[in-house]
Amino acid sequence: DADVTQTPRNRITKTGKRIMLECSQTKGHDRMYWYRQDPGLGLRLIYYSFDVKDINKGEISDGYSVSRQAQAKFSLSLESAIPNQTALYFCATSGPPGAVPEKLFFGSGTQLSVL
Amino acid sequence: AQSVAQPEDQVNVAEGNPLTVKCTYSVSGNPYLFWYVQYPNRGLQFLLKYITGDNLVKGSYGFEAEFNKSQTSFHLKKPSALVSDSALYFCAVRDYGQNFVFGPGTRLSVLP
Repeated sequence: DADVTQTPRNRITKTGKRIMLECSQTKGHDRMYWYRQDPGLGLRLIYYSFDVKDINKGEISDGYSVSRQAQAKFSLSLESAIPNQTALYFCATSGPPGAVPEKLFFGSGTQLSVL
Repeated sequence: AQSVAQPEDQVNVAEGNPLTVKCTYSVSGNPYLFWYVQYPNRGLQFLLKYITGDNLVKGSYGFEAEFNKSQTSFHLKKPSALVSDSALYFCAVRDYGQNFVFGPGTRLSVLP
């Protein structure tokens, strides 16, 4: 089983719809991240969480919200999807708890298309 | 603010030839530098990191990277490219907030 699991793998939705992307991890890491990938722009940080009670905005948080339901779960929501949120979304983790992060572990990604 | 540049969108190399994928960075303080690789329909995978120590860092799949402080560069290299190395490569730096800032990516094509 994958250490970092994202669901769904693909999603097509319409403008204005609410959508949630989910991420769960079995690595025991405290830090979790949501990135989006756009061609030619690399990965940009949307939100990050260093533990269950710590949520922080990243570079491009407008139009997104997150929930850290447990140490192992971190979900990303688009309250009212718009076409320029069409992208590949990645969840990532780093750890172990209390350590300085030395690398990220990524899920397989969710391809989201907003029509 | 920390930033990463990858000056080449695409690098083409013949199988068996050496390859270089370039990365330059801008950070305040000591740099913590990383390379990740993304194969089609997959998430990013860690290749190697530079935290401190030797300027030549060895990583997975025969890759290595050379840290050059004076040129603020961290170029990824491999002595002999394989077709299976074809992928999207990302350079990244860890910023003062302990988050990771990524470059735009370089697509490597190894031609048989």
